[in-house]
Amino acid sequence: GAVVSQHPSWVICKSGTSVKIECRSLDFQATTMFWYRQFPKQSLMLMATSNEGSKATYEQGVEKDKFLINHASLTLSTLTVTSAHPEDSSFYICSAIPSAPSSGTQYFGPGTRLLVL
Amino acid sequence: QKEVEQNSGPLSVPEGAIASLNCTYSDRGSQSFFWYRQYSGKSPELIMFIYSNGDKEDGRFTAQLNKASQYVSLLIRDSQPSDSATYLCAVPPTDSWGKLQFGAGTQVVVTP
Repeated sequence: GAVVSQHPSWVICKSGTSVKIECRSLDFQATTMFWYRQFPKQSLMLMATSNEGSKATYEQGVEKDKFLINHASLTLSTLTVTSAHPEDSSFYICSAIPSAPSSGTQYFGPGTRLLVL
Repeated sequence: QKEVEQNSGPLSVPEGAIASLNCTYSDRGSQSFFWYRQYSGKSPELIMFIYSNGDKEDGRFTAQLNKASQYVSLLIRDSQPSDSATYLCAVPPTDSWGKLQFGAGTQVVVTP
C-alpha cells in the first residue's frame, strides 16, 4: 500500500516551454502533497505544500508564478514549470500523506527528471 | 532555523557488519522521526519511523530514539551490498504539520 506515482518519469523540453508533472496517490487519498526538487549530490529541497481544494503554500524563494501547483482531487496534484529554463533542470519529486489514518508519514513518488535545453 | 544534522559520510561498512547512522535535531518539540533510504538517482523510500524513546526494530533495521539528547540513530545489521545508499533522517517541525525537515543524508557503502 501507500503507492505514489509520477508522470512523466523523464522529460526533455526546449527553453521557454512549460512542462506539467503529475503526482498521483494510487491506493489512498491525500489531502496534502508536497513537491521537492533535488539537484545532483544535494539533499531534497521542499518547494511547496499542495492542499486539495486550496492554494498551494510555497517555500521562501520559490516563485509561485513559475511553479504552478494544482491539487484538483484527493489523489492528484500537478506541478507546472512555466517558461522553463536550463537552470530549472532538476529531479522533481512529489510526496503524499494519507488522509486517514494519518501518521504524518510522507510517501514519495519515483520522481521526474527534467532537462531543459 | 531548526536543523537536522547527519554525518555526510561516506560510511564504509564491510558486508555482514553493523552500520550505525546518527542524526541530531534541534527542535525539542519534535515527536516523530523518520528514516528514508535513497538510492542514487531514485526517490526516497521509507524505512521506518519512531515516536517513543528507546528502540524500534524492523527486520535488519533498528531505530533508536533519545529525545532528551535530541538524538535518533539507525542501525543496519548484517549489512548487504544492496544497503549501499544514502540514508536520510527526517523530522517534522512542530510548527508545520506534515512537513519534514531532512538532514543532508549519510552515504553508506557496503563493501563485499
